[in-house]
Amino acid sequence: EAQVTQNPRYLITVTGKKLTVTCSQNMNHEYMSWYRQDPGLGLRQIYYSMNVEVTDKGDVPEGYKVSRKEKRNFPLILESPSPNQTSLYFCASSSPSTYSYEQYFGPGTRLTVT
Amino acid sequence: ILNVEQSPQSLHVQEGDSTNFTCSFPSSNFYALHWYRWETAKSPEALFVMTLNGDEKKKGRISATLNTKEGYSYLYIKGSQPEDSATYLCALPRGGANNLFFGTGTRLTVIP
Repeated sequence: EAQVTQNPRYLITVTGKKLTVTCSQNMNHEYMSWYRQDPGLGLRQIYYSMNVEVTDKGDVPEGYKVSRKEKRNFPLILESPSPNQTSLYFCASSSPSTYSYEQYFGPGTRLTVT
Repeated sequence: ILNVEQSPQSLHVQEGDSTNFTCSFPSSNFYALHWYRWETAKSPEALFVMTLNGDEKKKGRISATLNTKEGYSYLYIKGSQPEDSATYLCALPRGGANNLFFGTGTRLTVIP
């Protein structure tokens, strides 16, 4: 089944404790992105990647890091989480081969930083 | 930041009513417009990707039109059903096809 997976789905952590949210897709898509969703603000792009070893900042990259060492994986790293990073996070992938570039979203990760 | 506006912010309709909402965007440098449906406790799913002025797309009872010259797209739902209750998002790419900017969405509630 074609899908984007994220782990963990739910995470409660404390300020300053490094964490990684994994994202993996099995569709051989070149493009991958991370978004965060906050009430009233909609989906905001954190980072995106056009291919392996090619990443770029989105609208809200502060406090986040990403890497793209393999085509299928795009982990999101919070080196020192803070309470303002409490949010719902989505990973998404897409491909120019579909022409439409429609994004396929993962199930989401709800992160709470206390 | 792209000036993408969706209206209304929220909408309540009775089952069986038809409804529509709007996505407005800058008409210059248009590349494509995406519509997504986002049901509560699920992840957003693509409805349409539209690229041509005058384009019309349809999926079941849901259809969309695009006017790139004046910078708007309409999403129509004919005969709304409770399962249509969701937030409908539009998004436009900036600079690259993967660099999407999303509007804040229209939250639709269909009352049985």
